[in-house]
Amino acid sequence: NAGVTQTPKFQVLKTGQSMTLQCAQDMNHEYMSWYRQDPGMGLRLIHYSVGAGITDQGEVPNGYNVSRSTTEDFPLRLLSAAPSQTSVYFCASSPDRGAYNEQFFGPGTRLTVL
Amino acid sequence: SQQGEEDPQALSIQEGENATMNCSYKTSINNLQWYRQNSGRGLVHLILIRSNEREKHSGRLRVTLDTSKKSSSLLITASRAADTASYFCATADRGSTLGRLYFGRGTQLTVWP
Repeated sequence: NAGVTQTPKFQVLKTGQSMTLQCAQDMNHEYMSWYRQDPGMGLRLIHYSVGAGITDQGEVPNGYNVSRSTTEDFPLRLLSAAPSQTSVYFCASSPDRGAYNEQFFGPGTRLTVL
Repeated sequence: SQQGEEDPQALSIQEGENATMNCSYKTSINNLQWYRQNSGRGLVHLILIRSNEREKHSGRLRVTLDTSKKSSSLLITASRAADTASYFCATADRGSTLGRLYFGRGTQLTVWP
């Protein structure tokens, strides 16, 4: 199993551009989530999904959209990138019971918005 | 916010010594989890302790949970240079939806050979 994969590993955007961060898992996990990690801030939850077709907001959802059409994929869309979205983004998955279970993390995407 | 807070922010020790990190949180929880992050990498799950448990062990790791004080500690015994990493606690609210896991800001552990 590849586990949780994220693409791209690095990305530079200009303010106002849009892009999609990809996340996929091959473990048939129902629960997937997106976090951002900023220096000195720990990880903050952006959006999460408890199954295909079901998504909900986390702590910092503004400026981001998600959808979950399949169990395997959970893309994160930046609608109009801003410098404040410069961060490292992590995708995670869990087999069931969401936050009540251990999370499996991807390697991250480092995003810079100029 | 439910976010946990780790203490200390940074810890520097010699190989062979024990390392203790603490985590405090604010509300009732279903479970508390500890993760390790090596520089430039994703997080790796270490231990999950549920609110009705007081202590758990995994290899050289020992985690305690005191729900009356809303605190947890992670002890790494006989530390090695390879234990150098950031360590995060994360809490899941009791009674919340299944989606919300709140992370602290982490303890940076450095183990010198």
